[in-house]
Amino acid sequence: EPEVTQTPSHQVTQMGQEVILRCVPISNHLYFYWYRQILGQKVEFLVSFYNNEISEKSEIFDDQFSVERPDGSNFTLKIRSTKLEDSAMYFCASSFTGTLNTEAFFGQGTRLTVV
Amino acid sequence: GQQVMQIPQYQHVQEGEDFTTYCNSSTTLSNIQWYKQRPGGHPVFLIQLVKSGEVKKQKRLTFQFGEAKKNSSLHITATQTTDVGTYFCAGLRDTGNQFYFGTGTSLTVIP
Repeated sequence: EPEVTQTPSHQVTQMGQEVILRCVPISNHLYFYWYRQILGQKVEFLVSFYNNEISEKSEIFDDQFSVERPDGSNFTLKIRSTKLEDSAMYFCASSFTGTLNTEAFFGQGTRLTVV
Repeated sequence: GQQVMQIPQYQHVQEGEDFTTYCNSSTTLSNIQWYKQRPGGHPVFLIQLVKSGEVKKQKRLTFQFGEAKKNSSLHITATQTTDVGTYFCAGLRDTGNQFYFGTGTSLTVIP
């Protein structure tokens, strides 16, 4: 069964450092998403990406965040200067359609710990 | 801003008892999805509801979308230990493709 894969599974970084979280969405999907989940809390939308550009982003997705699809398979989330409050599980998701929506498939997540 | 609230936040039930979680949105939704997240896992899609008043069933799970498309519920009949996890609703506004996840209901099933 196709799946969304994320690397690394766990990343520890010092405050102020840049991190790049990587995702390989399901190959025929067209919409890509990043979500985050602070421990014990709800899943929060960060950004959606379609046709090589951001289609929607939340208030959380400020200038410290950026996304990129550098090639035909990878979808990355960069945090330029990490803060302690960026510590969370980051989930990548993809779906075949957007607004008319089919299910979103989530990756296993990357646990980011900022120290 | 968009708010999707779920109640209860936590629910402990004896195995075999029923369970219901309720999802309420501050604005009208075009559709709603439900996800299950096992402890330490990632959200897994369960179902999508689109029509006002829609009811869908998956074995012991019954999903309902309110007439005003602002609320939804998930009911599990005769819970089993495999039902343990956090159940999230996720609502889609009429415009855009941003799903707003609810606050989640954590279900514990006591054998």
